[in-house]
Amino acid sequence: AQSVTQLDSQVPVFEEAPVELRCNYSSSVSVYLFWYVQYPNQGLQLLLKYLSGSTLVKGINGFEAEFNKSQTSFHLRKPSVHISDTAEYFCAVSSSNDYKLSFGAGTTVTVRA
Amino acid sequence: GAGVSQSPSNKVTEKGKDVELRCDPISGHTALYWYRQSLGQGLEFLIYFQGNSAPDKSGLPSDRFSAERTGGSVSTLTIQRTQQEDSAVYLCASSSPFGGLAGLGNEQFFGPGTRLTVL
Repeated sequence: AQSVTQLDSQVPVFEEAPVELRCNYSSSVSVYLFWYVQYPNQGLQLLLKYLSGSTLVKGINGFEAEFNKSQTSFHLRKPSVHISDTAEYFCAVSSSNDYKLSFGAGTTVTVRA
Repeated sequence: GAGVSQSPSNKVTEKGKDVELRCDPISGHTALYWYRQSLGQGLEFLIYFQGNSAPDKSGLPSDRFSAERTGGSVSTLTIQRTQQEDSAVYLCASSSPFGGLAGLGNEQFFGPGTRLTVL
């Protein structure tokens, strides 16, 4: 079984500042990793995913994440946030031979002017 | 094209009643998933269907929960004898079978959810 820990439940940040959301996972098998975003009163939307290959993954809206196998981490970063990035962000993992996702508890990002 | 749709968007029911929640996946998506999002438990996997294979029911919290998928498309999640702890947002997702290994690792497209309130 896999599990995901998102180390920050809430992250306040000023507009145009950088942000990093931390995610650690545990698994006894190889995994696929995902970041999803949920804007207020909306459904979940995929930001980016890591399946294999380059450990630096670029996603939509200027987000990127780096897979670190030795530290079992998949932290999400954006160099300069906008007010519109205010949302809840979920890190998720699946084993590479299964379809279901295990989600972290989520990180609420609030961007202030 | 159309995304994943769910109905109803909101459902209020009395404790002990049965409820049915419906999900229409994206056309052509062979995999369909149900998740539950609640304040205390976060996002939890409930069940998934993959093509004609037997569903993975490993996330269903009790035998009051069941789901079926008719004709490889629409799915219904049924909760019998609802309890207050069943109150949550129930999310449905679907994914394509193409790419990768039988679609493993493909993006799951989520519907807007059904907010269930058990009084």
